[in-house]
Amino acid sequence: DVVMTQTPVSLSVSLGGQVSISCRSSQSLVHNNGNTYLSWYLQKPGQSPQLLIYKVSNRFSGISDRFSGSGSGTDFTLKISRVEPDDLGVYYCGQGTQYPRTFGGGTKLELK
Amino acid sequence: EVQLVESGGVLVQPGRSMKLSCAASGFTFSSFPMAWVRQAPTKGLEWVATISTSGGSTYYRDSVKGRFTISRDNAKSTLYLQMDSLRSEDTATYYCTRETYYGYNFDYWGQGVMVTVSS
Repeated sequence: DVVMTQTPVSLSVSLGGQVSISCRSSQSLVHNNGNTYLSWYLQKPGQSPQLLIYKVSNRFSGISDRFSGSGSGTDFTLKISRVEPDDLGVYYCGQGTQYPRTFGGGTKLELK
Repeated sequence: EVQLVESGGVLVQPGRSMKLSCAASGFTFSSFPMAWVRQAPTKGLEWVATISTSGGSTYYRDSVKGRFTISRDNAKSTLYLQMDSLRSEDTATYYCTRETYYGYNFDYWGQGVMVTVSS
């Protein structure tokens, strides 16, 4: 199974600030078809997870350009700029390159 | 608007069975693979199973293989999860999700249904 490791586990940020979350996979996430299926999700308090980013750097419909994804192979990063109160919650990376689908352990974003 | 509405969660004893349902609307259900993802209390996300558009292919995590069965009725736009021989470690909120071909990710999620396995 592909193990997804996120760091840090928690992060404090001031409103308007910028943060980065790292996600590393135990194996390359490059699919046989050449695509890299790494996604990012946000779970706000008391809510279901929502998709933010897919295929490393593509924003899902309606997602602000304050969210950006980058990386390749086994090393990926989610950056959030100009943090707003609605950005708070737990962020998860997930891989869709192979079964079983796996997620990182999550990064909790809190206000400083 | 895409909507996924789960039902069927409840308290069940270890070793018993339970069936979850997910009613889908707002999209062509038969065109998308579907999946169940669960989250144990205070824990992270854990993929459970995926089913192809026709239902001809299914995929499971090892810990539920042989105990859980994912199925779908495209005529009713409904996804199911039959859970047998339930264990305490299956206690979780179960989310119905739409899995995509364009990103092999989960782009829409239901509100979740709580399943508690306890004597």
